Amino acid sequence: QKEVEQDPGPLSVPEGAIVSLNCTYSNSAFQYFMWYRQYSRKGPELLMYTYSSGNKEDGRFTAQVDKSSKYISLFIRDSQPSDSATYLCAMMDSSYKLIFGSGTRLLVRP
Amino acid sequence: DTGVSQDPRHKITKRGQNVTFRCDPISEHNRLYWYRQTLGQGPEFLTYFQNEAQLEKSRLLSDRFSAERPKGSFSTLEIQRTEQGDSAMYLCASSVDRVHYGYTFGSGTRLTVV
Repeated sequence: QKEVEQDPGPLSVPEGAIVSLNCTYSNSAFQYFMWYRQYSRKGPELLMYTYSSGNKEDGRFTAQVDKSSKYISLFIRDSQPSDSATYLCAMMDSSYKLIFGSGTRLLVRP
Repeated sequence: DTGVSQDPRHKITKRGQNVTFRCDPISEHNRLYWYRQTLGQGPEFLTYFQNEAQLEKSRLLSDRFSAERPKGSFSTLEIQRTEQGDSAMYLCASSVDRVHYGYTFGSGTRLTVV
């Protein structure tokens, strides 16, 4: 079993929809959680990071962490075609290494 | 441009050849990471440096792989006797020490072994 599990998708939604992306993890020691966005043939770009449980909002993006369930989510409101990309969740271990999920491919249809 | 730079962007090589990639991190970042990403997968950790010291290597990093970071500046990743299974995107990232908000990635070097 991988330390971080993420549904690969693809997830196809119409423009303006609310998108929900999720990851589960097995290591209860993870404290820091990130979401990266990766466009085709580019490196990952940090979108949001959160510490421990709770919510964090940044514009159209909201990140949620539920440590009791070992479950993290990213919500995108009013999705745009430019949001079409692969979204990677990542967790930071005790030596500050990032452990990534496999990524969810999102397509926002105009 | 003050981002992480990787060179070359693409490399096609024949099986059995040696290849070397270069990464120039953000200048004030003392940590440098190498990751490998295959199609449809997330990045997998290979190794990381703090300044010039290589502090950890993944079991994914076989004896054919070697990384250096002389003087704690740029880093090179060499793959000897390449195999078709080495075909992947090799990503470099950098950060300041012990930060919890992730790192900055370069655009990667895409390696194709034919």
